[in-house]
Amino acid sequence: TAGITQAPTSQILAAGRSMTLRCTQDMRHNAMYWYRQDLGLGLRLIHYSNTAGTTGKGEVPDGYSVSRANTDDFPLTLASAVPSQTSVYFCASSDGGGAADTQYFGPGTRLTVL
Amino acid sequence: GQNIDQPTEMTATEGAIVQINCTYQTSGFNGLFWYQQHAGEAPTFLSYNVLDGLEEKGRFSSFLSRSKGYSYLLLKELQMKDSASYLCAVRDSNYQLIWGAGTKLIIKP
Repeated sequence: TAGITQAPTSQILAAGRSMTLRCTQDMRHNAMYWYRQDLGLGLRLIHYSNTAGTTGKGEVPDGYSVSRANTDDFPLTLASAVPSQTSVYFCASSDGGGAADTQYFGPGTRLTVL
Repeated sequence: GQNIDQPTEMTATEGAIVQINCTYQTSGFNGLFWYQQHAGEAPTFLSYNVLDGLEEKGRFSSFLSRSKGYSYLLLKELQMKDSASYLCAVRDSNYQLIWGAGTKLIIKP
């Protein structure tokens, strides 16, 4: 099985432009997450979804939006990109059950905003 | 605030043993995870501890002391492929994962 896929692999984006990062999982996991990873910092949660049809804000949600229309897909949209959004973005998914719930990560999207 | 501390970088020799420490201060505790992340790749799950003590999985072991807010990952018989970053994460009272910045482990022949 593919697990979690993300697209694109990398992207250079002009400031002020919008962009959607795609994430699809085939594990029928209930929960999905978007993180950004910056040098010297831990993974920071942007948005999450505990189940299809619901979303929640993480630690750094400003400038990002998400939707969860079905179980498999969890796109992340940047409405008007700024240089501080230059980062590596990881999508993850999990069963969503209990403290031992393990997150599985996609390969990441490297985004540069100029 | 919530805080996870790990050393930024460690160096070890192929075939040796290395211990990567993680200390945490979080609002509540519902378990501690270790992930491995090779450069340019996704983090992959290594271990989960929720009770005090040592969990062993082959060459990798993870230890937890909840009273001390402390964990370590022990890697034995180091191989070159173990060169990677090792991420510590704690599940807090809201069941969110709080991540450390990671420890970059460099293995030398």
